Amino acid sequence: GQQLNQSPQSMFIQEGEDVSMNCTSSSIFNTWLWYKQEPGEGPVLLIALYKAGELTSNGRLTAQFGITRKDSFLNISASIPSDVGIYFCAGPTSGTYKYIFGTGTRLKVLA
Amino acid sequence: KAGVTQTPRYLIKTRGQQVTLSCSPISGHRSVSWYQQTPGQGLQFLFEYFSETQRNKGNFPGRFSGRQFSNSRSEMNVSTLELGDSALYLCASSLVAVGQGNTIYFGEGSWLTVV
Repeated sequence: GQQLNQSPQSMFIQEGEDVSMNCTSSSIFNTWLWYKQEPGEGPVLLIALYKAGELTSNGRLTAQFGITRKDSFLNISASIPSDVGIYFCAGPTSGTYKYIFGTGTRLKVLA
Repeated sequence: KAGVTQTPRYLIKTRGQQVTLSCSPISGHRSVSWYQQTPGQGLQFLFEYFSETQRNKGNFPGRFSGRQFSNSRSEMNVSTLELGDSALYLCASSLVAVGQGNTIYFGEGSWLTVV
């Protein structure tokens, strides 16, 4: 099925480091959503973006809706062990009314 | 308020059987969508229901079906189970129909193992 390109695929970082990940699409989105999923659980919404150029924060997380509407970025500052999980981007493609999801970024934080 | 509730959480079925999964959306939400998640394919869209009508369907065989009731609760059914149907099935709800700039919220999922 159709998917968004998310990078990096995985990251191993030290506690306290900042993390950056991004998501790109070949088509324009009018909404970008970022989720975190922990093992055995469903994805939990972190941040929702609704406008090109929008920059939104949720605690140590900051996400941006790219100006071209074809990309989005998620940053995590001062990572802690509980940030471990898989981070997904998602968006509804125009005209299809379906949400498609990124391939996920697997984050591991070393204490 | 209560989140999206999915039942059962875990189940094991035999090839050829059928299974029904249930989803109760967040109170007031009228759209329910279903996804299949596997390590190889990631999160794949199955279908979306809004006001008891299927609005959209993903690329899955006809063995996968669903419905939505007047109270917005939804069920999905998989008939003639195959080993490849083993997956985490996620339900998500949203206030309005998907695509109108809204946000979707997921349940914890139903883990289906087919043996």
